[in-house]
Amino acid sequence: KQEVTQIPAALSVPEGENLVLNCSFTDSAIYNLQWFRQDPGKGLTSLLLIQSSQREQTSGRLNASLDKSSGRSTLYIAASQPGDSATYLCAVEDQAGTALIFGKGTTLSVSS
Amino acid sequence: ETGVTQSPTHLIKTRGQQVTLRCSSQSGHNTVSWYQQALGQGPQFIFQYYREEENGRGNFPPRFSGLQFPNYSSELNVNALELDDSALYLCASSLAGAGTDTQYFGPGTRLTVL
Repeated sequence: KQEVTQIPAALSVPEGENLVLNCSFTDSAIYNLQWFRQDPGKGLTSLLLIQSSQREQTSGRLNASLDKSSGRSTLYIAASQPGDSATYLCAVEDQAGTALIFGKGTTLSVSS
Repeated sequence: ETGVTQSPTHLIKTRGQQVTLRCSSQSGHNTVSWYQQALGQGPQFIFQYYREEENGRGNFPPRFSGLQFPNYSSELNVNALELDDSALYLCASSLAGAGTDTQYFGPGTRLTVL
């Protein structure tokens, strides 16, 4: 059974810092991996999707990497801003291409 | 392009009642998935519908059921509500049943069961 773990559970940083969020998964047979952002009480916003054949994706200040063999992904946020404060969720899609299996998320707080 | 919408935004029910949640998929999307997110947890997959047929189901009891309509909108029905059903219910739409595209999530329906 696929399990997704995110470390740390919470993170507080001052504005301007670069930071890394970690995601690990137990079964390397995945279809793709997605990183989402969730603001309190709201839905999910897709940040980056990495297909299983890819190693990384970049969007603006965000860079996500995928190492399927070791079951790890990282989300790198450059020059963090207070507006980046949110919960970041990692999800892997099963090979059937149906279910997303989520971690519990990392709650990020960026202070000005 | 219209995004994923869900209704209602909030709902309060009592134990034993039944509830119906609704989702309109993003324009052009033919696949809808439903997730349950308890407080402090990641979303958990309930089921997925592709072209009006159930295309996969998570570990949820049969009292959780769904429908997808010809316009690809969807309903989630929960019978015999329990206190543990209190959660944020998220709907996501995508193009193609193979899941090759990003899933776009709606804002969710917050269900409280008293």
